[in-house]
Amino acid sequence: EAQVTQNPRYLITVTGKKLTVTCSQNMNHEYMSWYRQDPGLGLRQIYYSMNVEVTDKGDVPEGYKVSRKEKRNFPLILESPSPNQTSLYFCASSFDGRYEQYFGPGTRLTVT
Amino acid sequence: LAKTTQPISMDSYEGQEVNITCSHNNIATNDYITWYQQFPSQGPRFIIQGYKTKVTNEVASLFIPADRKSSTLSLPRVSLSDTAVYYCLGRTDSWGKLQFGAGTQVVVTP
Repeated sequence: EAQVTQNPRYLITVTGKKLTVTCSQNMNHEYMSWYRQDPGLGLRQIYYSMNVEVTDKGDVPEGYKVSRKEKRNFPLILESPSPNQTSLYFCASSFDGRYEQYFGPGTRLTVT
Repeated sequence: LAKTTQPISMDSYEGQEVNITCSHNNIATNDYITWYQQFPSQGPRFIIQGYKTKVTNEVASLFIPADRKSSTLSLPRVSLSDTAVYYCLGRTDSWGKLQFGAGTQVVVTP
């Protein structure tokens, strides 16, 4: 089954404790992206990757890091989480950035 | 930037047709126009995509005028399960940088 998986689905952590949210796709897609969704603000792109080893900033990259060492994986790293990063996070993949994106189930992160 | 603007909400009754229009400011000549549907606490799901004129699939139709400065998503004969937020997707002048519109909350009632 074609899918994008994210782990964990739910995470509660404390300010400053480094965390990683994993994202994996099994569709051999070149393009992957991370979004955060907050009430009233819609979906905002954090980072994207056109292909392996190539990443670039979206609209809200501050406080986040990504890496794309393999085509199928695109982890999101929060080196020092803060409460304003409490949000619902989605990973997505696509054949390339122009076409249909497949979204993961989401990771709900709470930073206290 | 390919800023997109769409209505905040729309109400409809079951069986009616719902049309949501999105304005695309400064859309690039090679941009596709894409629409997604999202239910609460789920990831967005692709509905339809087009470049110009009209595109139809089993779920919806997409109408794009010649100037491509707007697009209209048409949902025929909606049911209660079509209650969701609908997003049109634009693209900045950077190939991979994507911007979702604010979304249109569609509420379908019996």
